[in-house]
Amino acid sequence: NAGVMQNPRHLVRRRGQEARLRCSPMKGHSHVYWYRQLPEEGLKFMVYLQKENIIDESGMPKERFSAEFPKEGPSILRIQQVVRGDSAAYFCASSPGGGEKLFFGSGTQLSVL
Amino acid sequence: GQQLNQSPQSMFIQEGEDVSMNCTSSSIFNTWLWYKQDPGEGPVLLIALYKAGELTSNGRLTAQFGITRKDSFLNISASIPSDVGIYFCAGTFGNEKLTFGTGTRLTIIP
Repeated sequence: NAGVMQNPRHLVRRRGQEARLRCSPMKGHSHVYWYRQLPEEGLKFMVYLQKENIIDESGMPKERFSAEFPKEGPSILRIQQVVRGDSAAYFCASSPGGGEKLFFGSGTQLSVL
Repeated sequence: GQQLNQSPQSMFIQEGEDVSMNCTSSSIFNTWLWYKQDPGEGPVLLIALYKAGELTSNGRLTAQFGITRKDSFLNISASIPSDVGIYFCAGTFGNEKLTFGTGTRLTIIP
């Protein structure tokens, strides 16, 4: 009865490299959400996906960031050409339906050197 | 966009004391959730509220959904060391994304 699984837990990238963050939702959950958290701050919504569809990407920067949730496999948050300001904890959450309680993974801490 | 303000920002209490924190919104929600986050971990759901006026308990935790649908509070009775962490309220309306509050950091003074 695994919860939301995120990997890697820690990711170090140099400026200009790509970061790929993976999230496997809880079994039976088809809705995935990505949030970003800076130190000492709350969680900021980035994107909401339902299998193969992006439902709401209003919190995701238009440049360099993309997200997908394919029919098979985990959801991926991709950050191209990372900059220092991308350093943050990125959390994935899943739910069985929209507007329902979210269950979070342990996060990926991205550090950009 | 929707904003959730939590107060207080931080609390310093002694073990055994009761704790009260609240969350207010600039717009109405139809679901309120309370989460706790430990350092280096993701938020863990504590209590979910679905109806205005609803009062729900989970062990030593009690939360209420305000009548106006724009606020909620969380109480912790007889605090213990493992209660230390950051508490976040979160709200949603319809099938929209969950919006998080600014957090209340709870510290227990020995």
